[in-house]
Amino acid sequence: GAGVSQSPSNKVTEKGKDVELRCDPISGHTALYWYRQRLGQGLEFLIYFQGNSAPDKSGLPSDRFSAERTGGSVSTLTIQRTQQEDSAVYLCASSLLAGTSGRANEQFFGPGTRLTVL
Amino acid sequence: AQSVTQLDSQVPVFEEAPVELRCNYSSSVSVYLFWYVQYPNQGLQLLLKYLSGSTLVESINGFEAEFNKSQTSFHLRKPSVHISDTAEYFCAVSDGRGKLIFGQGTELSVKP
Repeated sequence: GAGVSQSPSNKVTEKGKDVELRCDPISGHTALYWYRQRLGQGLEFLIYFQGNSAPDKSGLPSDRFSAERTGGSVSTLTIQRTQQEDSAVYLCASSLLAGTSGRANEQFFGPGTRLTVL
Repeated sequence: AQSVTQLDSQVPVFEEAPVELRCNYSSSVSVYLFWYVQYPNQGLQLLLKYLSGSTLVESINGFEAEFNKSQTSFHLRKPSVHISDTAEYFCAVSDGRGKLIFGQGTELSVKP
C-alpha cells in the first residue's frame, strides 16, 4: 500500500482481556518496528523485525507482550491479560532495511492504534 | 545506552517569531539524528535527519537543525513560524542498528 496501515484505529477493552493489534508495512519494506506512546510521554521502543526475525525485543515491558511477523509483511502485537497501564497509542513503523545508515534506515510511521483498558 | 533529552515540554510563540526547540543526546557510538513532527490528529512524519556529512540539515518547510558533536546537541530552529507549524516535535537518535530512541516531545504552539 501507499503507507503503513494499522488496525484497529481504536480499541477499548476490559482489564484482563487479550488484544491483538495489526500492522501492515509499506510494500517492500523488510524492517518493521513497534513503539508505544503513553499520554504525555515520548515514544518507547518495543520490538523490531528484520524479515520475520526479531533481533531486538528489549523494549517489550513484560512477558504479557509478544509480537510476530509472518511472510515478511504483516505483524501482530499481542497483549495478554491487559492492565490499565497498557493504555497507550501503539505505533508501527517500517523501513526499507534495518541496521544501515542512509535512506534505508528512515522509518515511516502508521497512524497508530489507541488502546484503552478499562 | 543512548538517550535523548528535549529540554522544553511546551514552547508558546507568536506567529512570525523565531523559534528553537532544544534536543540533547547521549551516545557512545556513532549517531544518526532525526526530528519527527506530529500535527494534531495526524501520524508521525519525518521532518529532517542527520546521517553524515554537513552538520546543518534543512527541511522543505523552513526548519533547520545543526548537529553539534561537542555539545551533543541537535537543536531545531525556524527563523519565522506560521500558525500551521503548531504541532508536537520529537527528537530521536538511532545507532544504525534499528531502533529509534525518542525524546519526550516538545509541544510548539504558535499564536496569532
